[in-house]
Amino acid sequence: EIVLTQSPGTLSLSPGERATLSCRASQSVSSYLTWYQQKPGQAPRLLIYDASNRVTGIPARFGGSGSGTDFTLTISSLEPEDFAVYYCQQRSDWPLTFGGGTKVEIK
Amino acid sequence: EVQLVESGGDLVQPGGSLRLSCAVSGFTFSSYNMNWVRQAPGKGLEWVSFINTGGDFIRYADSVKGRFTISRDNAKDSLYLQMNSLSDEDTAVYYCARDLTTVTRAYDYWGQGTLVTVSS
Repeated sequence: EIVLTQSPGTLSLSPGERATLSCRASQSVSSYLTWYQQKPGQAPRLLIYDASNRVTGIPARFGGSGSGTDFTLTISSLEPEDFAVYYCQQRSDWPLTFGGGTKVEIK
Repeated sequence: EVQLVESGGDLVQPGGSLRLSCAVSGFTFSSYNMNWVRQAPGKGLEWVSFINTGGDFIRYADSVKGRFTISRDNAKDSLYLQMNSLSDEDTAVYYCARDLTTVTRAYDYWGQGTLVTVSS
């Protein structure tokens, strides 16, 4: 099973700051890495698929990069609605797996 | 408007069974692969199961293999998850989720979730 490790566990930032979230895979997942955002009481929301492809309707401040085992989700300038938990997921191999999540909280 | 609506969540005793349903609308269900994803209270996301459009390619997480069965009825626009031999570790909100494309296993639409509580 491919293990995804997200860091940091919690990121404390202020609106307007840049957020950099990491997802590291225990083995190569090529570019088959997805990012989701989840707010309390809501279902997850798809942000980025295949490492860097932003879904229609997702603001341009969200960007994904990486390949192989190291991936990054960057939020260029945090808006109040961006404070949430972010998960990565790999689709390179079965079973599909999620990372443990990074909480982006208001500092 | 795309909608996925889960139902069937309940309080069940350890060792019991439950069947979850996911009724969809707003898209051609038979053209999309589907998944179940769960989230234990206060915890992260866990992929549970996948079924392709025709129902002839299925995968499970190791934690549910042999106990859970995913199925679909394309004529009824519905996805199902039969859960047997439930334990407290199965307590979670269960989401049904649609694959973005037939080759991209990223979930672009999710239901609101249905809560399964396993407790005596």
